[in-house]
Parts: sequence; C-alpha cells; structure tokens
Amino acid sequence: LAKTTQPISMDSYEGQEVNITCSHNNIATNDYITWYQQFPSQGPRFIIQGYKTKVTNEVASLFIPADRKSSTLSLPRVSLSDTAVYYCLVGVNTNAGKSTFGDGTTLTVKP
Amino acid sequence: DTAVSQTPKYLVTQMGNDKSIKCEQNLGHDTMYWYKQDSKKFLKIMFSYNNKELIINETVPNRFSPKSPDKAHLNLHINSLELGDSAVYFCASSQDLGATNEKLFFGSGTQLSVL
Repeated sequence: LAKTTQPISMDSYEGQEVNITCSHNNIATNDYITWYQQFPSQGPRFIIQGYKTKVTNEVASLFIPADRKSSTLSLPRVSLSDTAVYYCLVGVNTNAGKSTFGDGTTLTVKP
Repeated sequence: DTAVSQTPKYLVTQMGNDKSIKCEQNLGHDTMYWYKQDSKKFLKIMFSYNNKELIINETVPNRFSPKSPDKAHLNLHINSLELGDSAVYFCASSQDLGATNEKLFFGSGTQLSVL
C-alpha cells in the first residue's frame, strides 16, 4: 500500500481557497487516490476520488499530475464549517492489514 | 435514514468486563469493517468481513472478535477489556472488497472508555 505524506496542519481564513497536497511516491499503476473529511465526533466522510488529471465535484477539486506521485485537494472559498481533518488514501485495498489512513491534515478555518 | 449506524455512541466500563458494539448498514454493501481511532487520531483497520470471509489485522488482540449475523450487520465483541482499549471505534462499509477505488462509508463512532 502506497505510503502517503501530508502536512500535519494548515490554517486558513473564511473565503480563501485551500490546497492540501499529499505525496505518494510509490503509487501503483492501478491505485486510485481518495480523500476523506472527518469532523470531530464523526466518522470520516468521502469527499472525492480520482485516478489522473483533474476531478471536480460540488465539494472540492482534485488535481493529479501526470506522474501521479502527488495529488492536491482544493477547497474553494472555505467556511468555518470546513474545519476538519482531511485524509488522503492511495490504493484503497481494504483488506485488513493493508488499508490504513495516514496522519491526515488538520485544517482550521478562522473568521 | 442513516446509512451506517452503530450503537452505543458512548460506552464506559471497567477493566476486565466484556462488551459489544453493534453496527448496521442499509446500503446493500457486501463488505463491512471495524476501525479503531486512538487519541492521536490515527485510524487503523481491525477487521474486514465480506461474504462470510473474515480478514483480521494480525496486530489486533484475539480479545476482539467480530460477529456477523447477516450481510447488513457486523458487531464487535471485546473480552476482558483493558485500559489501552479506550478509543473511538468506527464501523464502515463498502460495496465490495479489494478494489483500489472502493469508497468507505463510516458510522459516527463509539467512544469506548475503560476505567
């Protein structure tokens, strides 16, 4: 399973665009990149998933360069309610013992 | 309706006791999981269960045992609780098992406190 590296924490202000980058140098050919969001006292929630180039949904965009060794989650115009932990997963092989969430990035949005 | 629901939300108990956490999913998924999140927020998979196939993370003590009466339910039973078992336990489900594009759906967690 590809190891992922993310910043431990980020701060932002309301209305700004936030970009969180995840490094995954040993991503495998068939691995997808998936991001989850976790609010306090809740379980992680799926945000977005991609394989290459760019994916956009109503919540976020995901940018994946050609070499796929990193990916960037982009949150447009964040609000206070976007304060959460964001996890990047690569190659979600959900067999026990092989699937693990990384450290995650704690995003704090300030007024 | 909640897609993945687990009970109880909070569980406070004494060392040495046996306790169970229940989980149900109404998504029609074939695979269910139990994850443990410690105080440092690390999420670690404990079990995955698919079509009666149980895959165990080898680091999980055998005091922990999942029990699945049917595809929609995966309960977690813990024997002889220890202080180090205190954590938040999440149930999750996915459509299938093993695909690299699986999307996980999580319950809201059970905060277990062992005194």
